This record gives sequence, structure tokens and C-alpha cells, in this order.
Amino acid sequence: QQQVKQSPQSLIVQKGGISIINCAYENTAFDYFPWYQQFPGKGPALLIAIRPDVSEKKEGRFTISFNKSAKQFSLHIMDSQPGDSATYFCVHTGTASKLTFGTGTRLQVTL
Amino acid sequence: AAGVIQSPRHLIKEKRETATLKCYPIPRHDTVYWYQQGPGQDPQFLISFYEKMQSDKGSIPDRFSAQQFSDYHSELNMSSLELGDSALYFCASSLGRLTYGSNSPLHFGNGTRLTVT
Repeated sequence: QQQVKQSPQSLIVQKGGISIINCAYENTAFDYFPWYQQFPGKGPALLIAIRPDVSEKKEGRFTISFNKSAKQFSLHIMDSQPGDSATYFCVHTGTASKLTFGTGTRLQVTL
Repeated sequence: AAGVIQSPRHLIKEKRETATLKCYPIPRHDTVYWYQQGPGQDPQFLISFYEKMQSDKGSIPDRFSAQQFSDYHSELNMSSLELGDSALYFCASSLGRLTYGSNSPLHFGNGTRLTVT
């Protein structure tokens, strides 16, 4: 059972535009929300992460916004570039010693 | 910087054969995780090891087994292979076991692509 619901499944954005990926979670015990980025043929890599006591975290062009009351968090990619084309996963650690991945969003940034 | 090394990169096997995948974690990392990723799917957790002991178990079939050795490398052994086992298998490592509230990142290798024919 997927405990984190990610949307959209795929996204096409023009170069310079803003890419927005959303995740909704159910378990309020989650307390760490990383995002992983995966390029074709490569393993996932940590992109950015946030804790629920922080409403927003920004690293360069990437921003995570967290809405604890709505149990949602989102990834914003500003000034999207073709090199950002990848699959993005919201992830949670839950209470077990593992990462559980969301369903993923395939982002394509066009010229 | 050294990364997680997986071998082989590609493996082709026939049904009912066996396969062994190897993972060499980042130096000094003591925890290893195995994930399976089907085409267009999200990575599914199989099993993890911390200090050479099994730490957590996910959706790993009984036909699969894994272990972590004294040098911290890990091997995933797969027997009686089925067509449905065709997937990318990722190994990841971390320093310390991932626990509730932990923000230790997992470092993934580039995977082994297993094709079962």
C-alpha cells in the first residue's frame, strides 16, 4: 500500500518554466521528507530534504514547501532546464530502517 | 569521491537459472540496502544489512537471499529465476542504519540490469 501519493505521473515543462511536483502522505509519524532524483540508467540520488518543523527549504533552483495540516509537500524547480529532465521521487523513512519511494514523476524539460 | 560499486552492470540469464549480484559500499559505510526497480516503476525495498546483520526485510522473494560480508560488501543471490525478476537491482549504502527521523542520505549505485529470458 502506497503511503505517499505523488502527482503528476509525468510533466512536460518548457525551459525556464516552473516544475511543480506534489506529494500527499497519510502517516503523521513521518518526520523526514527527502526527494530523490533519478536519471535514466542511473541510481536515485538525494536532491533535497525537509523536516516538518520547517515550512520551506530552498537550495538553488529547488524548493520544498511543506504543509503539515494538509499533509502535503511539494517540490518546485524554478527556471527549469533540459538537464533537469529526470524522474523525481518523494520518499519517506517512516518508522522502519528503509526508504519507501513514491510512484515517481517523470519530468521532461523542452527547449 | 568513491561511490557505490555494483557488478555486473548487465546480466542475462535463462529461466530457472541462478544469479549473484555484488555490491561494494562507499568506504566506511556500514549499512547496505537492496532495491528492485521494474520498468517505469518506483524502487521497491528488498532487504538491508547493518554491521553484517540483516536489519530490515521488504518484499524479497524466498528464492532470493543476501548477506553482508566482513568487508561490508554485499551479495544478492537469486535462484530459480523467473521472467518477472527482470529488473534493475540497486544497492545503496549509508553510514549508520537509517532510523526514524534520520536524515542520513542513501547513496545508490548505478544498478545491475538483470534480464531473464
